[in-house]
Amino acid sequence: DVKVTQSSRYLVKRTGEKVFLECVQDMDHENMFWYRQDPGLGLRLIYFSYDVKMKEKGDIPEGYSVSREKKERFSLILESASTNQTSMYLCASSLLSFLRETQYFGPGTRLLVL
Amino acid sequence: SQELEQSPQSLIVQEGKNLTINCTSSKTLYGLYWYKQKYGEGLIFLMMLQKGGEEKSHEKITAKLDEKKQQSSLHITASQPSHAGIYLCGADRGQGAQKLVFGQGTRLTINP
Repeated sequence: DVKVTQSSRYLVKRTGEKVFLECVQDMDHENMFWYRQDPGLGLRLIYFSYDVKMKEKGDIPEGYSVSREKKERFSLILESASTNQTSMYLCASSLLSFLRETQYFGPGTRLLVL
Repeated sequence: SQELEQSPQSLIVQEGKNLTINCTSSKTLYGLYWYKQKYGEGLIFLMMLQKGGEEKSHEKITAKLDEKKQQSSLHITASQPSHAGIYLCGADRGQGAQKLVFGQGTRLTINP
């Protein structure tokens, strides 16, 4: 069964802290994605990666960075957390192919920045 | 850039009633995905549509993509409490790597 896990379900951090959100998938997928979800805005793509050490900016990369050192793990880093980064963060993965492939999502991390 | 509009934004129905959620795009849809999200959790894949006029069903949920491939609908027959949640449509941006753009979601509440 497909599985995407995220390191924390809930996090509370203070403004200015460096925050790491971890995502692991066990499906040997090439593609991995980080989204944030806010009421009324749907899911917005922050970054995605299509291979180890490869990354590409999404729609809202400002204030975020990512790391992909191993195929199964994709980390989202908030260099200096701010209150406007309070949100639900969702990780997803998919197979890289010429066909359209479904993205599989983790359970999400709800981050509160005080 | 492509945008997806979902309607309605929220929906309250009596258990046993049918309902429809719509997803409309400003551009041609080359791949349309429907997901369900239970409150505060991740997204669960429901169905993917690619061809104009395509229709897929799973249990009591049917999704359709219109012939022009600019609108999709999700129909639930005889709704149950287990259908409650947020339904999101996502569309392939056509830029490779299966990057998706999502609608803002429809919050469905089922009253017993």
